[in-house]
Amino acid sequence: KAGVTQTPRYLIKTRGQQVTLSCSPISGHRSVSWYQQTPGQGLQFLFEYFSETQRNKGNFPGRFSGRQFSNSRSEMNVSTLELGDSALYLCASSPGQGSSNEKLFFGSGTQLSVL
Amino acid sequence: GQNIDQPTEMTATEGAIVQINCTYQTSGFNGLFWYQQHAGEAPTFLSYNVLDGLEEKGRFSSFLSRSKGYSYLLLKELQMKDSASYLCAVRTYGGATNKLIFGTGTLLAVQP
Repeated sequence: KAGVTQTPRYLIKTRGQQVTLSCSPISGHRSVSWYQQTPGQGLQFLFEYFSETQRNKGNFPGRFSGRQFSNSRSEMNVSTLELGDSALYLCASSPGQGSSNEKLFFGSGTQLSVL
Repeated sequence: GQNIDQPTEMTATEGAIVQINCTYQTSGFNGLFWYQQHAGEAPTFLSYNVLDGLEEKGRFSSFLSRSKGYSYLLLKELQMKDSASYLCAVRTYGGATNKLIFGTGTLLAVQP
């Protein structure tokens, strides 16, 4: 079974641009979550999608948005990039059945650098 | 507010035992996870605790005390490949959501 796939692996953008990151979950998983990882803050929750609907949202500005397609693949978009958006963006998938012990399977992430 | 504390770095010797502590103060509690993350790689699941006590899985064990807001990850018979970052995370909500609150991680260096 293939793992969680994120593309691209690395991305360099300049301030003011926008970027779209992609995530393909493990086959059969219906929940996709996005996290931002920085050295100082650790992993911070961005949002979660389940069956094409946003199920939960973290405390990030509206410049961060996402969507999920009918095949459970998800995209995350960041508009008007700022230097502080430089981070590793991790996607995680899970079956989405809602049990408290449901574990997340992470992709290797997209390393975004904003210049 | 939500707060999870872990030591930033730890060093241990190959073959030894190391304990990585995690304390949490969250508005709710519905389970605690430990993940391992090697440099440049995806975090991978190690353990889950929701009830007080010790969960053992091979060389790795995890302990939880809900009354103290405290957990630890115990790694035995350390190997060089255990050098990685260890992430403590709390699920605060019940029901259908995968929002986890993560600590900043503990970078473990295993020396020969």
